[in-house]
Amino acid sequence: KAGVTQTPRYLIKTRGQQVTLSCSPISGHRSVSWYQQTPGQGLQFLFEYFSETQRNKGNFPGRFSGRQFSNSRSEMNVSTLELGDSALYLCASSKERGHEQYFGPGTRLTVT
Amino acid sequence: KQEVTQIPAALSVPEGENLVLNCSFTDSAIYNLQWFRQDPGKGLTSLLLIQSSQREQTSGRLNASLDKSSGRSTLYIAASQPGDSATYLCAVSYGGATNKLIFGTGTLLAVQP
Repeated sequence: KAGVTQTPRYLIKTRGQQVTLSCSPISGHRSVSWYQQTPGQGLQFLFEYFSETQRNKGNFPGRFSGRQFSNSRSEMNVSTLELGDSALYLCASSKERGHEQYFGPGTRLTVT
Repeated sequence: KQEVTQIPAALSVPEGENLVLNCSFTDSAIYNLQWFRQDPGKGLTSLLLIQSSQREQTSGRLNASLDKSSGRSTLYIAASQPGDSATYLCAVSYGGATNKLIFGTGTLLAVQP
């Protein structure tokens, strides 16, 4: 069974640009969540999606948004990029909410 | 504020040693707790999930315990191997069936051959 996949794996953007990251969950998993990992702040929760609805949102500015499609695939978007947005963005999926979560390899975003 | 703390931040042990990693959480009303390992530059690998109604879970050489009343969980690794070297993270969820995890800062484990 294929794991969680994330594309692209690496991304370099300039301040002010916007970026879209994609996450494909494990087949049969309906819940997708996103996390940001930085050396200074560690792992921080961004969003949780289930049945195409955002169920939870972390303490991030409105520049961070996401969505989930009917096939459970999810995307997150960051607009007006700032240097501080440089991070590893991780996506996780689970069969249902509250179940064991499985993480993808992450997208490494560098903002210059 | 719901916080998760992991002590020690780093640990170095010789191969073959049994070891314990600690995780503390400030709010005992957890829904579940999950242990992960992360290799450098990689995503997280799930190790064990403990529901709030459980006291422990075992998988191979790993055993995780949960004591909600004291706000603590421990991950026991038996007969450590160099391949166990990684950062170990615990994460807690609150408030029912949710995938919002609050992560600890991790313990960097080095197992010396």
